[in-house]
Amino acid sequence: QKEVEQDPGPLSVPEGAIVSLNCTYSNSAFQYFMWYRQYSRKGPELLMYTYSSGNKEDGRFTAQVDKSSKYISLFIRDSQPSDSATYLCAMSGVGNTPLVFGKGTRLSVIA
Amino acid sequence: KAGVTQTPRYLIKTRGQQVTLSCSPISGHRSVSWYQQTPGQGLQFLFEYFSETQRNKGNFPGRFSGRQFSNSRSEMNVSTLELGDSALYLCASSFRLAESQETQYFGPGTRLLVL
Repeated sequence: QKEVEQDPGPLSVPEGAIVSLNCTYSNSAFQYFMWYRQYSRKGPELLMYTYSSGNKEDGRFTAQVDKSSKYISLFIRDSQPSDSATYLCAMSGVGNTPLVFGKGTRLSVIA
Repeated sequence: KAGVTQTPRYLIKTRGQQVTLSCSPISGHRSVSWYQQTPGQGLQFLFEYFSETQRNKGNFPGRFSGRQFSNSRSEMNVSTLELGDSALYLCASSFRLAESQETQYFGPGTRLLVL
């Protein structure tokens, strides 16, 4: 079993839809959870950063972490064509541990 | 503040050659991590350098090596290139302290094609 599992999609939604992206993980030592967005031919850019369990909201984006289920989510409200990209979840434990990434979900928002 | 820069952006090599990629982190950032990204495997961690010392290493063969200079700039080297080394190589920098996790900021990557 891979440490981080993420449905690769592709996921296609109409403009204005609510998008739900998810990752599951197996390592209970993970404490830091991140979502990155990667446009074609670009490096990943950090969207959301959460420590431990709970919710975090930033504009149209909401990140949720459920450590009891080892499940994290990213919700995008009022999705726009400019949200079309690959979304990567990433996580790590405390201390000097490297990030472990999911393989990414490709999202297309159709106008 | 300038972002992470990587050079070159594109590179074509043939099997058996070696290659050196360069990364300049965000000013003030002391940690530089390298990742390999392929469609099949996703983003895989290669190694991390902090204050010129390798602090973490992923599961890659010894053909992959790196170093960090006193100004925090980093290079990675791949010797005896194989077709499977074709990938996007990403560098990420952070102001990473000893016992905390800092967010990482990625460069645009170097796309390597091995023929």
